[in-house]
Amino acid sequence: ETGVTQSPTHLIKTRGQQVTLRCSSQSGHNTVSWYQQALGQGPQFIFQYYREEENGRGNFPPRFSGLQFPNYSSELNVNALELDDSALYLCASSPQDRINSPLHFGNGTRLTVT
Amino acid sequence: DQQVKQNSPSLSVQEGRISILNCDYTNSMFDYFLWYKKYPAEGPTFLISISSIKDKNEDGRFTVFLNKSAKHLSLHIVPSQPGDSAVYFCAASAMYSGGGADGLTFGKGTHLIIQP
Repeated sequence: ETGVTQSPTHLIKTRGQQVTLRCSSQSGHNTVSWYQQALGQGPQFIFQYYREEENGRGNFPPRFSGLQFPNYSSELNVNALELDDSALYLCASSPQDRINSPLHFGNGTRLTVT
Repeated sequence: DQQVKQNSPSLSVQEGRISILNCDYTNSMFDYFLWYKKYPAEGPTFLISISSIKDKNEDGRFTVFLNKSAKHLSLHIVPSQPGDSAVYFCAASAMYSGGGADGLTFGKGTHLIIQP
């Protein structure tokens, strides 16, 4: 069973630039969620994708957007990067049709904005 | 406004003894609670969960207790082992979801250190 994989593992960008992070969900999982973990904080929910549509969103501005593809993989796009966007970005997958199924996380992408 | 609080940033326990990690929440809509464990350079790994219809759930060395009236839950690890040294996150959700459309709300984590 292949787990959640994320790429790249590390990324350095300049303020104002745009970034795309990628995630492959665990096999058999059709739902993907993205979380932001700032230093010293717990992960914060950005949004969730199911059937290629966003079906839930946390308190993040519209410059955070995403996509889900037919194979359930996903992308997180962040436009107009700000210094505060520096964080670990975690992707998680789960099977939508199984209630109480916990999220399975990837190892994350460490984004540094300078 | 932190809806899930882990008030101990770190906890040091001797190997073989019991580790007790605590978590408090403020949102009455939360009805499903999870504990995740995180090693450096890895993503969080699911440990154990409990729904609000129960007050205890056990899985091997790990037991989670839920006190709904106090809006408090705790994770007990017995006996503690060196491999348990990690950051532990408490998380909560509504609608009996393990991480649905409203997402999970996480605490800031407790760094557990098991001393040999």
